[in-house]
Amino acid sequence: EIVLTQSPATLSFSPGERATLSCRASQSVGSSLAWYQHKAGQAPRLLISDASNRATGIPARFSGSGSGTDFTLTISSLEPEDFAVYYCQQRSNWPLTFGGGTEVEVK
Amino acid sequence: QVQLQQWGVGLLKSSETLSLTCAVYGGSFSGYYWSWIRQSPEKGLEWVGEITHSGSTYYNPSLNSRVTMSIDTSKNQFSLNLSSVTAADTAIYYCARRPRNSWFDPWGQGTLVTVSS
Repeated sequence: EIVLTQSPATLSFSPGERATLSCRASQSVGSSLAWYQHKAGQAPRLLISDASNRATGIPARFSGSGSGTDFTLTISSLEPEDFAVYYCQQRSNWPLTFGGGTEVEVK
Repeated sequence: QVQLQQWGVGLLKSSETLSLTCAVYGGSFSGYYWSWIRQSPEKGLEWVGEITHSGSTYYNPSLNSRVTMSIDTSKNQFSLNLSSVTAADTAIYYCARRPRNSWFDPWGQGTLVTVSS
């Protein structure tokens, strides 16, 4: 099973700041990695597919990069609605696995 | 626009069987994996398994012996059964659509399932 590690578990920012989130895989997943945003009481939302492709309707301030074992989600300028939990997920190997999540909170 | 609506019993006792159903509105049923994912404070998001419209199933090995998924193409619904539940199965369960070689999108609204001893 591929383990995805997201650290730290919590990051604190002010609106307008740039946020960089990390996801590290225990073995190479190529570019088979996605990022999801999850707000309490809502369904998770796909943000980034295949490591770097924004999903339909996702604002340009969200970007993804990386390949192999190290991946990054960047939010260029945090909007109030961006404070949430972010998860990475791989589909390179079965079983499909998620990272533990990083909460982006208001400083 | 595809929408997923799910329902099921929210409170169970240990050893009972969890049963959830997800209905798909507004899109094709074929060509996708129909998935279940759960979220708990202890384990975060965990893929439970998925089923295709033809009934092929793929389960998380950690749950394999207790999971059964089924599909009703006439109703555009798919279901999850998880037997012999314990408190460790307490979680929010989500259904989701996953195109082949792609990602979970969209997701259902989630169902909180609590297992009491």
